[in-house]
Amino acid sequence: RKEVEQDPGPFNVPEGATVAFNCTYSNSASQSFFWYRQDCRKEPKLLMSVYSSGNEDGRFTAQLNRASQYISLLIRDSKLSDSATYLCVVMTGRRALTFGSGTRLQVQP
Amino acid sequence: EADIYQTPRYLVIGTGKKITLECSQTMGHDKMYWYQQDPGMELHLIHYSYGVNSTEKGDLSSESTVSRIRTEHFPLTLESARPSHTSQYLCASSAGTGGAGYEQYFGPGTRLTVT
Repeated sequence: RKEVEQDPGPFNVPEGATVAFNCTYSNSASQSFFWYRQDCRKEPKLLMSVYSSGNEDGRFTAQLNRASQYISLLIRDSKLSDSATYLCVVMTGRRALTFGSGTRLQVQP
Repeated sequence: EADIYQTPRYLVIGTGKKITLECSQTMGHDKMYWYQQDPGMELHLIHYSYGVNSTEKGDLSSESTVSRIRTEHFPLTLESARPSHTSQYLCASSAGTGGAGYEQYFGPGTRLTVT
C-alpha cells in the first residue's frame, strides 16, 4: 500500500464549479500535511499547509481528519488557471516529504 | 518566490559521462533535498541533507552521490551517466524547524537526457 494515496483523475470541470480532492495516508504518526500544485513539466509549488482545525486561503479550503487519516482540498469558483496536478504531501517524523502521485484537474471554459 | 536555483535546466549527454547537477539556495535553509520525477509520475526522494556535512540516501535507490560542504549548495553527481538516468531532477529546501518550517520550496528542475 502506498504511503499517500490520491485519485489520479482527471477531474474535468467547468469554470465556476466547486471541486474536491481527497487523499489518504497510511502512517498514523504523520505530523505535517500540505497541498502542492504542479503544472505540466514544472516544479511543484506549495499551495497551502493543512492544519488540524482546517484552513482556508481565498477559494481554497483544506481539511484534515487525523482519525480517518484523510486530507481534503476544496476549490470553489474554479478558474481556467487552476488547471494543474494537485499533490497531497505528508511528513512523518524527521523524514523528508512523501508525495502522492497527484490528482489532475482540467477546468474547461 | 523562493530563491532556489538549479543549473543546467536542460542537459543532453552521452552514456558514460560524469555529470554534476547544481543546486543553490539563498534562504539560509538547513535542509535540502533531491527528488527524481519521471513524466506523469510521482516524485521520489533520492537524497537529503540536514546541514553541512550531513547527507542521507532517500527512498529511491540512486547511483548518484551528493555533498554538502556549504549551507547554500547541494550538488548531485553521476559518475557515469546511463540512459536509465534520464529523468527530471528537482532540488528543494526547507527551514525544517516546526510548522511552516517543514514547507519545502523547489527549484525549477534539471531535465536530464542520457543518450
